[in-house]
Amino acid sequence: GQQLNQSPQSMFIQEGEDVSMNCTSSSIFNTWLWYKQDPGEGPVLLIALYKAGELTSNGRLTAQFGITRKDSFLNISASIPSDVGIYFCAGYREFGGKLIFGQGTELSVKP
Amino acid sequence: EAQVTQNPRYLITVTGKKLTVTCSQNMNHEYMSWYRQDPGLGLRQIYYSMNVEVTDKGDVPEGYKVSRKEKRNFPLILESPSPNQTSLYFCASRTLQGKLAKNIQYFGAGTRLSVL
Repeated sequence: GQQLNQSPQSMFIQEGEDVSMNCTSSSIFNTWLWYKQDPGEGPVLLIALYKAGELTSNGRLTAQFGITRKDSFLNISASIPSDVGIYFCAGYREFGGKLIFGQGTELSVKP
Repeated sequence: EAQVTQNPRYLITVTGKKLTVTCSQNMNHEYMSWYRQDPGLGLRQIYYSMNVEVTDKGDVPEGYKVSRKEKRNFPLILESPSPNQTSLYFCASRTLQGKLAKNIQYFGAGTRLSVL
């Protein structure tokens, strides 16, 4: 099945650094979702985006719905050790359609 | 509290021994789905259901069965498990009513299955 192109695949950063990751597609999406998966747990929704250009924050997390509707970005500011986990982008090309996933970005934060 | 509940969380079994992983949601969602997650392959959809008695194949349905007799439950059945079905499995649900905010999909905590 189709997957989104998510990058980077992994990141090793120092506590306090900012983090950026993104997802791209060759198709237009009408919803972008960003999830975090802690080790041994299921994905938990962080941010949902519904309009091109939309910029939404959730604490230290900020995500944007790309203007072209073919990409999305997630930024984490001032990372802390509990930010460790796998971050997934996901999106819908049409309402009620199949949720398509990126392959995930594994984030490691060194204290 | 809105929840998708999977059981068991961990399961070790042997080749050929039928097993069922249960999934239940308390949000009255129409849509339910099963995924497997494998290193380097991301989340792949096994089966999904748009409503009671309506199920359809996802991307990797071989070796799996599902049923949707009640709206809240969506069990995953492995009639004859094989070692290549060793994986981390997630159940998920969402509503199909309305648009935008209703597109959010909720996941269970996962079932780690090992088939020896």
